[in-house]
Parts: sequence; structure tokens; C-alpha cells
Amino acid sequence: DGGITQSPKYLFRKEGQNVTLSCEQNLNHDAMYWYRQDPGQGLRLIYYSQIVNDFQKGDIAEGYSVSREKKESFPLTVTSAQKNPTAFYLCASSIWTGGGDQPQHFGDGTRLSIL
Amino acid sequence: KQEVTQIPAALSVPEGENLVLNCSFTDSAIYNLQWFRQDPGKGLTSLLLIQSSQREQTSGRLNASLDKSSGRSTLYIAASQPGDSATYLCAVNDRGSTLGRLYFGRGTQLTVWP
Repeated sequence: DGGITQSPKYLFRKEGQNVTLSCEQNLNHDAMYWYRQDPGQGLRLIYYSQIVNDFQKGDIAEGYSVSREKKESFPLTVTSAQKNPTAFYLCASSIWTGGGDQPQHFGDGTRLSIL
Repeated sequence: KQEVTQIPAALSVPEGENLVLNCSFTDSAIYNLQWFRQDPGKGLTSLLLIQSSQREQTSGRLNASLDKSSGRSTLYIAASQPGDSATYLCAVNDRGSTLGRLYFGRGTQLTVWP
């Protein structure tokens, strides 16, 4: 079945450690997104990418990094510079038609906690 | 910057009631508005998407309306069931960037009891 796969489902980070969250999609979508969700909060955009080898910062990019080497994959690295990384991370993708009018489809998320 | 507000934050009702969830947004320059459902610890499931040129969309017991000029949307759930218990999120796809981006409300946590 086509969809978005995020792994791992749960992840623990030690102080000073970088961790990478995986997001893979087989929907042949051009655009991919990373959101962060905190309890009782709406989702906030971290990074987004329209095409391979191109990405833009969202509202809360500090302490995070991404790469887009393949159309299917958009991994997110949470660096040691992110001082409050505990959150639920959601990856999404959409068709790109030249304007942002297409619906976004979401993965099942990764829950990151501090050890 | 687009701001999205959802009212109420939580709602608890007996099975069978008809419900209205409200969403408001500050900038009417949108591509579309989406309603999502989120179960605890899970990702988002898209329920309905209304394009900016449309007034409403229906899927089964769900009906969503959009009044772009006043910055409001409502999600109507008919004959609620315990399986409808979840958090419902509203998101607008903003025209303010070259790649349309979603702005989310904080959600309405719905509990439907038997």
C-alpha cells in the first residue's frame, strides 16, 4: 500500500547526542514536511522541501537539520543544539502542482524523549 | 502570520448527539482548509478538505463548511458514536508562501460516551 513510513516509533536521546528520524514515502509526492507537536499544541512546521536537494526552514528550524537526497526520503536530525527536543514528530507529503493547493498526507509519527 | 483557533478545546457528549466544532483563521488568503482526526499517539487522518472556492464538503456523517470571508469553518458530526472519540484538528493551507504550508489549530478533544 502507498503511504508514509516513519521510524522509529519511539526514540530516546541522551544529552549532547544527535538523533535522526526517518521518513519514507512511496506516494511519488514531490513535497515533504516535518512538523513538531507538543501536548495541547497545534503542529508547528520545522522544515519543508519541494524538490530533491532543496529545502526551506519553517517556523522552528533552530536545532534541527534535514536532507533531501532522494524524492522518497526526508530524514530529520535533531541536534544537540535543540535544548527541548521532547515532542511528537510528524512527517507529511503532498503533490506539488506549482501552488500549495494539494492535501498533505501524514505518517504515524515518532515520539522523541530525553534520557 | 496566519493564526488558527479552535473552539471548544474539549467536548464530552453522550452517544447520538449532533456536534459542531468550530475553527477560525485570521487571513483569508488560503488555498484550502483541512479537518484531521488524531487518535492518541497516532498520526493525522484527513477527514475533509475544502478548497477556497467551495462552501462545504460532506463525507458520511461529517459535513464541513467554509466561510472564507469571515475566516470561519465548522465541522458538523451527526449522530455521534463512541468511535468518534479523538482530537479533531483544523488546518489552513496558506497562500503566503510559494509552497503552500499548513497552519494548525490546537484541536478539539472529543469524548463520546455510551
